[in-house]
Amino acid sequence: SQTIHQWPATLVQPVGSPLSLECTVEGTSNPNLYWYRQAAGRGLQLLFYSVGIGQISSEVPQNLSASRPQDRQFILSSKKLLLSDSGFYLCAWSTQQGSGANVLTFGAGSRLTVL
Amino acid sequence: GQNIDQPTEMTATEGAIVQINCTYQTSGFNGLFWYQQHAGEAPTFLSYNVLDGLEEKGRFSSFLSRSKGYSYLLLKELQMKDSASYLCAVRDSNYQLIWGAGTKLIIKP
Repeated sequence: SQTIHQWPATLVQPVGSPLSLECTVEGTSNPNLYWYRQAAGRGLQLLFYSVGIGQISSEVPQNLSASRPQDRQFILSSKKLLLSDSGFYLCAWSTQQGSGANVLTFGAGSRLTVL
Repeated sequence: GQNIDQPTEMTATEGAIVQINCTYQTSGFNGLFWYQQHAGEAPTFLSYNVLDGLEEKGRFSSFLSRSKGYSYLLLKELQMKDSASYLCAVRDSNYQLIWGAGTKLIIKP
């Protein structure tokens, strides 16, 4: 069966510090991978998605970046965090687009607080 | 613009039935999803509708009317563990998911 791991679960970082959130998927190959941010009272905001190694699409211009160095690994990074980067970050995967639901399966999430 | 509307919060009694509505205006339609999210946790998939009508899955059912841009999630025999947020999401013509802000459901004994 497929599983998705995301870490760290919680982190508190000072403004201007770097960030690295990591996500890995097991039990499947060539998945679509996603990074979302969830702010209180708002819908999930898609930050990045990837359909393959080294292929990253950015949905929202910001000081965050994403990388996919391996087929089942997706990393969210920042060189200098802003206060507005605080939030709940979710990694997700789905099968490649095709007929059917292509349901998103989410990791457990990472709660980031920038002080 | 694209928009998903659902009530912010609802309250229901244990053992009762509750209906959570979702209306949408999107650029095209390629399916509607309902997810459940407990506080501090990740969303988990509940249901998927792409054709009009009712999909039943145990205590949960989801209905879709594409002509009206409308869906609802029906929860029967409510249990305390059903206290959670329920997220409606629509996949548009570009196969991008548009998410509603979620409905927080509070179950009272």
